[in-house]
Amino acid sequence: SSELTQDPAVSVALGQTVRITCQGDSLRGDYASWYQQKPGQAPVFVIYGKNNRPSGIPDRFSGSRSGNTASLIIIGAQAEDEADYYCNSRDSSGKHLGVFGGGTKLTVL
Amino acid sequence: QVQLVQSGAEVKKPGASVKVSCKASGYTFTDNFIYWVRQAPGQGLEWMGWINPNSGGTKFAQKFQGRVTMTGDTSISTAYMELSRLRSDDTAVYYCAREGGFCTSTSCAWYFDFWGQGTLVTVSS
Repeated sequence: SSELTQDPAVSVALGQTVRITCQGDSLRGDYASWYQQKPGQAPVFVIYGKNNRPSGIPDRFSGSRSGNTASLIIIGAQAEDEADYYCNSRDSSGKHLGVFGGGTKLTVL
Repeated sequence: QVQLVQSGAEVKKPGASVKVSCKASGYTFTDNFIYWVRQAPGQGLEWMGWINPNSGGTKFAQKFQGRVTMTGDTSISTAYMELSRLRSDDTAVYYCAREGGFCTSTSCAWYFDFWGQGTLVTVSS
């Protein structure tokens, strides 16, 4: 079983704000990173660190952390944001092992 | 620009082995760990392990211990992942990804900033 827990599915109305969460003990230490994946495509890196966006990622994407929960927030969701979203961190063992959340399917209505 | 280019799709029989390559360009190959991640049809991402191209050191997820080998050839900036004793449930898209990261005084941030295009491995009799 995954050490990072995500809701399997979330929906948002077009133009509204949505929060996708990721829970796990390892997130009390290291930050999560977030990936967007559309069908048939490789994952794309969208958020890392406290709240950092790689170049080319729209500023409607942001990240936050509180306790053992990391969040990916999309302000003003667009149709093209419909995708699967995965969080990732190193696991809580301290042995440089990685773990992904189970993924959240985001539907934009 | 940084690119990771993987080898093409493979079809293997149960019990066989498969070796997938990941050629890096646009950066110094030995500066970053390479991770391998797989995704079975309709499923999520699964972390398999990593190789440090600088030292050759590796670490694997427990479920792959004894079946996976990860190597690197620094002369051609290429990482390899070999999975043996294939089963039907090894059918998946296999990705390589470059790890980046940094630490502050209180926390570290690790991320996969570049990904290969994926290699479909089909295991079928």
